[in-house]
Amino acid sequence: GAVVSQHPSWVICKSGTSVKIECRSLDFQATTMFWYRQFPKQSLMLMATSNEGSKATYEQGVEKDKFLINHASLTLSTLTVTSAHPEDSSFYICSARRDSSGNTIYFGEGSWLTVV
Amino acid sequence: GQQLNQSPQSMFIQEGEDVSMNCTSSSIFNTWLWYKQDPGEGPVLLIALYKAGELTSNGRLTAQFGITRKDSFLNISASIPSDVGIYFCAGQLRETSGSRLTFGEGTQLTVNP
Repeated sequence: GAVVSQHPSWVICKSGTSVKIECRSLDFQATTMFWYRQFPKQSLMLMATSNEGSKATYEQGVEKDKFLINHASLTLSTLTVTSAHPEDSSFYICSARRDSSGNTIYFGEGSWLTVV
Repeated sequence: GQQLNQSPQSMFIQEGEDVSMNCTSSSIFNTWLWYKQDPGEGPVLLIALYKAGELTSNGRLTAQFGITRKDSFLNISASIPSDVGIYFCAGQLRETSGSRLTFGEGTQLTVNP
């Protein structure tokens, strides 16, 4: 089946530094990808919709200058958390909409970010 | 924005029992999805529903798309320990919104052997 891969699976970074998380659709093209964050025991909260070749659409309350999204190809979107702070520590999950199958969406495995 | 109410929040059952959980929405969706999430992993799609009234099974799982398009339920029959996890419903609108999903709050399922 379709696979979406995230990298890294987990990362620890120092406060004030930036960290990049990659989301790849391994065997299909995805014009649209989505980035979520999830706090422990809570649901997934959509942060932004990433569109290949254009600017991402951010949800209300999500700082676009802090969470930089780049969707440079049909199989790769990246989320960069800039000037990370401990409150940015969270589980970040991406999903990709398979272009060839209507609206089927596949999720990545998630990336744990811990800011110390 | 759209809100999904998922219930119950948590369930503690004995192995072999049947389980039912549901989601209701304040507005309509044209697709309902059910996902299971294991700790530290991304959600995995269990069942997708595309038509109002549709009843779909996947092994021991059965889900239905409500006639009003504002609700859906998921049943798990004869539960086993590996059913443990968090189950999320999600509604989707197939339109220019880019197929974004709106998630319910999740149901934490614990199965005692």
